[in-house]
Amino acid sequence: AQSVTQPDIHITVSEGASLELRCNYSYGATPYLFWYVQSPGQGLQLLLKYFSGDTLVQGIKGFEAEFKRSQSSFNLRKPSVHWSDAAEYFCAVGSFGIKAAGNKLTFGGGTRVLVKP
Amino acid sequence: DTEVTQTPKHLVMGMTNKKSLKCEQHMGHRAMYWYKQKAKKPPELMFVYSYEKLSINESVPSRFSPECPNSSLLNLHLHALQPEDSALYLCASGLRGTGELFFGEGSRLTVL
Repeated sequence: AQSVTQPDIHITVSEGASLELRCNYSYGATPYLFWYVQSPGQGLQLLLKYFSGDTLVQGIKGFEAEFKRSQSSFNLRKPSVHWSDAAEYFCAVGSFGIKAAGNKLTFGGGTRVLVKP
Repeated sequence: DTEVTQTPKHLVMGMTNKKSLKCEQHMGHRAMYWYKQKAKKPPELMFVYSYEKLSINESVPSRFSPECPNSSLLNLHLHALQPEDSALYLCASGLRGTGELFFGEGSRLTVL
């Protein structure tokens, strides 16, 4: 069974500082990995995704993530955080290839990012 | 801007009411999803429709009844809900094989 762990429940970072959010996954095959962001009371917005190829993935809003198979990790980074980056961040792994079924995402528990002025 | 539209954005209902949540997408996606999200928790999958047929039901109680009238629409019919069913209900759509899901902004349901 697939699973995702986000070890940090909360992270507080100063505006302008760098940010790294950790994600570890468990999956039997090559994973499809995603990072989503959710502002309070809103839906989820896709930041970036990894399917194959280059292990360093660029996303929207200046975010990037690196896939490390040996560590089963897909950590999210941003060099300089803006106050608008305060939100909940979810890492997810997808399972596919199920006949007649759609894609199925399994989410980690989320990391809440607080940005100090 | 999200391309998955959910209505209503907020819904308050009593335990004896019957109501429906609606979701619409025009991206040509043939997979549509309902997720339930409690406060401070990740989304939990409820149902998956693939080509308008129910393909995954994650052991959801029968008081939640999904319906996919066509490839663009997804409904969630609610009946005899409990207060613990209060949550944000998220609809999503996606292309089979890519893994990427597009989420709506959700319908926040309160059951009194």
